[in-house]
Parts: sequence; structure tokens; C-alpha cells
Amino acid sequence: DTEVTQTPKHLVMGMTNKKSLKCEQHMGHRAMYWYKQKAKKPPELMFVYSYEKLSINESVPSRFSPECPNSSLLNLHLHALQPEDSALYLCASSQGFKGLSNQPQHFGDGTRLSIL
Amino acid sequence: DAKTTQPNSMESNEEEPVHLPCNHSTISGTDYIHWYRQLPSQGPEYVIHGLTSNVNNRMASLAIAEDRKSSTLILHRATLRDAAVYYCIPLYNAGNMLTFGGGTRLMVKP
Repeated sequence: DTEVTQTPKHLVMGMTNKKSLKCEQHMGHRAMYWYKQKAKKPPELMFVYSYEKLSINESVPSRFSPECPNSSLLNLHLHALQPEDSALYLCASSQGFKGLSNQPQHFGDGTRLSIL
Repeated sequence: DAKTTQPNSMESNEEEPVHLPCNHSTISGTDYIHWYRQLPSQGPEYVIHGLTSNVNNRMASLAIAEDRKSSTLILHRATLRDAAVYYCIPLYNAGNMLTFGGGTRLMVKP
């Protein structure tokens, strides 16, 4: 069991649908992350939130819209996705972001997303 | 950014030690070296990290070369549950931003 909870575990959606992925942690961490992982590839960073503010956007298309409503919750809103966006979406959290490269990240088990 | 080189895959027998190497020749003096692993159908899991000295925890040991250009993750007794992809990741610029390379796929034979 992980301390970072992601819902749903699986999601199938059409290209015109709007859906959201949810991530929750109750470890008091102030940095949260979204990663995308294609099959048989390593995870790739998408977004970093630090103290509920967006710190890093790795040139992610605007059809992915992150939101951090509070320090425990991170959402990823999806709209007009393409079939190539099918992947495992991973959320992680850590105590902090800047100046804290000796702190581990804790990952959820991801949401497996399929775009029809 | 520090670039890492790891073997694509390694094989081990159950209950034997495993040494997973990583080269990170462009690492800078303040970059921590982190290791994560990813078991099938799970998110990555933190294993261990270090800066200069060798480190031990309940999961593994990390041996860091004196020049810091390489490190070795040591699993003292491999179990079937240790079969995973192991990622060596230098964290640069004193920030907590993980850049995953290809990793090493460890296979453990009973």
C-alpha cells in the first residue's frame, strides 16, 4: 500500500470527453508532482507544485490542466486528449522542492489512461 | 544535467547478492544520488540515496566511488520480490526534480 492515493486506477475516455485524475497524500508534504509513463519507458515529469503553486511545467500541452486545491490534493484535468496520450499517469509527493534534493519522493500506483 | 549510464538488464539468483552499477561521470559536488525501483504494475519506490559516504538502510546499501563518478546499489540477498527496474538518478541544482533514465531491469531466478 502506498501513502499517495490515486483515483481512478483505470480510465477509458473518448477524445471529446472531459475527465479528471485525483491524487491525495496526508504526509504533510508541500511538493506534489505529475509524471507520465508510456509502456516500457521511464516516467517523465509533467508538472511540479510547491506550496500549492505551479513551479514547473515541462512544456505539457494545454489539454492537460493541473490544479492543486490544497496541500493534500492534486488534480489533473483532461480535455480533448489524443490517442497518443494513453499512458500511466503517476502522482508523487515530497517534503519540499527547492533545496531539498536529499528528500525522497513518494509515488502512487498511477492511473492507467486509455484514449479511444 | 548529470547523465547516467546503467546496464539495460541484469540477472541474479534468489538469495544471492546483487550489485547494480551506475555511472554518473558529469555529477557535480552537491548532487545527491538517488535510487528508485519500479515493480511491475506499481509506481516507483524510493530505495536509498547518498552524497559522498556509503549508506545502508533496511532495503539496500549504496556504495559511492571516491570520485563520485559512479555508484553501486547492493541488494544483500535478492528475493523474487526484488525483480524490478532500478533507476539511478542524480538530483542536480539542489532541487527535487527526478529525471529518469532507462534503468536496469533486474530479473531474479528462483
